[in-house]
Amino acid sequence: GAVVSQHPSRVICKSGTSVKIECRSLDFQATTMFWYRQFPKQSLMLMATSNEGSKATYEQGVEKDKFLINHASLTLSTLTVTSAHPEDSSFYICSANGASYEQYFGPGTRLTVT
Amino acid sequence: EDQVTQSPEALRLQEGESSSLNCSYTVSGLRGLFWYRQDPGKGPEFLFTLYSAGEEKEKERLKATLTKKESFLHITAPKPEDSATYLCAVQAPTSGTYKYIFGTGTRLKVLA
Repeated sequence: GAVVSQHPSRVICKSGTSVKIECRSLDFQATTMFWYRQFPKQSLMLMATSNEGSKATYEQGVEKDKFLINHASLTLSTLTVTSAHPEDSSFYICSANGASYEQYFGPGTRLTVT
Repeated sequence: EDQVTQSPEALRLQEGESSSLNCSYTVSGLRGLFWYRQDPGKGPEFLFTLYSAGEEKEKERLKATLTKKESFLHITAPKPEDSATYLCAVQAPTSGTYKYIFGTGTRLKVLA
């Protein structure tokens, strides 16, 4: 139980285009999902907290107009990187809350912007 | 300010050589402390949740303990497949919600 999937696992896009990443909780309902970004050999940096049916809460320094988050159902949250630039290249990971406060993480999405 | 510090940053062990990883924290209103394992290019894999000082959890060769200021992840007789980055996170109230605060991790390498 408590499986979280992400799609795609890898994506390469050209500078200026937009990319959508999906995060799904496969066997449980998640009222809250989280989006993280991770740079090589660094820890996870929380970007935003996504609540089903309401606007996401963004961390300080994260551009909400650049990183659009939608949490339309209890099992799906999406992150859209708009007008992507090479500096947006990173490893993006989502997570969802389990029943006992723990977070279950997806496998991550490697974004490369050329 | 809420903070989580992990040490050492990197650790190399011989197979069978037991050791401990440390996670020190300063947080107001701790709701839980979590340990994860992360392999390269993958998302973190949940290991343990600890809620109160004195609590211990075990899973195979891993044992996690918690005090009021720190947590330890003990690895007994490690094998090469235990090589990974181990992340510690605390969950604390922030602006009306609960978020994870991650440490920077300990990169463990177990040599055969």
